[in-house]
Amino acid sequence: EPEVTQTPSHQVTQMGQEVILRCVPISNHLYFYWYRQILGQKVEFLVSFYNNEISEKSEIFDDQFSVERPDGSNFTLKIRSTKLEDSAMYFCASSLSSGTGIKEYEQFFGPGTRLTVL
Amino acid sequence: AQKITQTQPGMFVQEKEAVTLDCTYDTSDPSYGLFWYKQPSSGEMIFLIYQGSYDQQNATEGRYSLNFQKARKSANLVISASQLGDSAMYFCAMRERGGTASKLTFGTGTRLQVTL
Repeated sequence: EPEVTQTPSHQVTQMGQEVILRCVPISNHLYFYWYRQILGQKVEFLVSFYNNEISEKSEIFDDQFSVERPDGSNFTLKIRSTKLEDSAMYFCASSLSSGTGIKEYEQFFGPGTRLTVL
Repeated sequence: AQKITQTQPGMFVQEKEAVTLDCTYDTSDPSYGLFWYKQPSSGEMIFLIYQGSYDQQNATEGRYSLNFQKARKSANLVISASQLGDSAMYFCAMRERGGTASKLTFGTGTRLQVTL
């Protein structure tokens, strides 16, 4: 069964360093997402991406964040200068389509990357 | 205002019993979808069940069913015949129409503990 993969599973970095989190969405999916979950809190939407551009971003997704689809398979989240409060689990998700009508618009989540900023 | 409200931070249920996890939502969009995800201690998000706003019947997936009461804006998850492996965090989420790619809005979750 196709699945979303994410690397690395755990990333430790020093404050102020740049990190790139990588995701490989399901191959025929067209819509891509990043979510964040601070330890013990709810999952929060960061950004959605379609047709090689950002569709929507939350207020969390400030100028320190960027996303890219550098080739036909990878989808990356870059944090330019990490802060302590960026420590969280970052989930990538993908969906075949968007909308709300049918289950096929379901977002499939990757296993997450746990980012620890020291 | 919270779009998704899960009022039970923690729940206990005995093995083989049924349990209901509450979720209420707030939207003015007539077209939306409701999801439940399970998050075990390992951290991944596992899709459980989906209910569309126009679906006439309550969704069911194996031991999971969704008690969808549209007028009350509630979408409670019912787990029948609980198993020890059901112990996890459970998140209710909503997707509203709009934008090119519709984001999910999550509730704060309910931690379910299944006991012997």
